[in-house]
Amino acid sequence: AQTVTQSQPEMSVQEAETVTLSCTYDTSESDYYLFWYKQPPSRQMILVIRQEAYKQQNATENRFSVNFQKAAKSFSLKISDSQLGDAAMYFCAVPGTYKYIFGTGTRLKVLA
Amino acid sequence: DSGVTQTPKHLITATGQRVTLRCSPRSGDLSVYWYQQSLDQGLQFLIQYYNGEERAKGNILERFSAQQFPDLHSELNLSSLELGDSALYFCASSVGVNSGSYEQYFGPGTRLTVT
Repeated sequence: AQTVTQSQPEMSVQEAETVTLSCTYDTSESDYYLFWYKQPPSRQMILVIRQEAYKQQNATENRFSVNFQKAAKSFSLKISDSQLGDAAMYFCAVPGTYKYIFGTGTRLKVLA
Repeated sequence: DSGVTQTPKHLITATGQRVTLRCSPRSGDLSVYWYQQSLDQGLQFLIQYYNGEERAKGNILERFSAQQFPDLHSELNLSSLELGDSALYFCASSVGVNSGSYEQYFGPGTRLTVT
């Protein structure tokens, strides 16, 4: 069965510093995407970054980047130059059969 | 804006009642997914439709049902509501049927409060 584990329920980071959120997973899919979603207090699900599993190069979107290790089934999110607006719940999502499976989330607090 | 619309944004109703949540997918997307998010929880998959046909079911209660219409919009029906059904209900859409290969786009959600 597909599983997703986010082992950090809560993280804090100082404004302008860097933080890494971890995610490990297991999936039987062979060709798939992996995703990080941000959920601010408005509770809208906002796609932060995606990684195609067949690509060895780690995805980068401005201040957000991933460290994807396919063999280890690890998919961590690095946020550089953290901003107050980055404070939110972050969920990683991996594909199951016909659906996404979401981790339990990491609440990120950004300290001014 | 993801292009996925959901109505209503908020819904307050009493226990025992029935409600219908509506979702319109992005133009061109054939798959619709429904997820439930209770307070401070992750997203739980309920059901998926592809081009009008049910493709997958998750932990969806028997009191809940859904359908996808020929114009591809979808409705989630919740009946005999209980306090525990209070949650945020998301709809997502994607182009294809296999979630592994296609990105899902999420609507803004419908916040259901059962009193």
